[in-house]
Amino acid sequence: RKEVEQDPGPFNVPEGATVAFNCTYSNSASQSFFWYRQDCRKEPKLLMSVYSSGNEDGRFTAQLNRASQYISLLIRDSKLSDSATYLCVVNSGGGADGLTFGKGTHLIIQP
Amino acid sequence: GAVVSQHPSRVICKSGTSVKIECRSLDFQATTMFWYRQFPKKSLMLMATSNEGSKATYEQGVEKDKFLINHASLTLSTLTVTSAHPEDSSFYICSARQGAQDTEAFFGQGTRLTVV
Repeated sequence: RKEVEQDPGPFNVPEGATVAFNCTYSNSASQSFFWYRQDCRKEPKLLMSVYSSGNEDGRFTAQLNRASQYISLLIRDSKLSDSATYLCVVNSGGGADGLTFGKGTHLIIQP
Repeated sequence: GAVVSQHPSRVICKSGTSVKIECRSLDFQATTMFWYRQFPKKSLMLMATSNEGSKATYEQGVEKDKFLINHASLTLSTLTVTSAHPEDSSFYICSARQGAQDTEAFFGQGTRLTVV
């Protein structure tokens, strides 16, 4: 089983719709969780951290389910500018940087 | 959030030449920085950990003599791709953390290297 798994998509979603995707992780000892956004040919940028109690920032909501070992990202009222690849990043404390990246979920918002 | 600056953003070089990429933390000190490589439609892969004042730690399969890392100060790490070949063409990204290991990482803008 891969350490961090995401559905690569692409998710084609009409503008204004709500879209959600999940990420599963295999290491139950994982400590920290993040969603990053990566635009084509650009560096990843932190979208939000994922806390045990959930985290909401405007149109974006992230949730953590430790029992089932997955995190989710919900985008409401999607905008054209939300089109990007969303990376699930898990900090398991192992490895030099402690980070394990998912391969990303490609989201396309259509007008 | 913290700012990490990477330069150059794009470079084209001839096969056999060397290319240096700089990574700077602009508003914080980073004793540790990380270098990644990303091939098209692939995930970020950690290449090495750059440690200020000491040797870098390389991931398995990464040639330390080919990818030279120097972390001369608390705000600057450099990656030199020596004797570059077309298969080294990739997107190279650095990152640093402002705090402990469980905090978020901030990435440089990335360097797109094309070896012709």
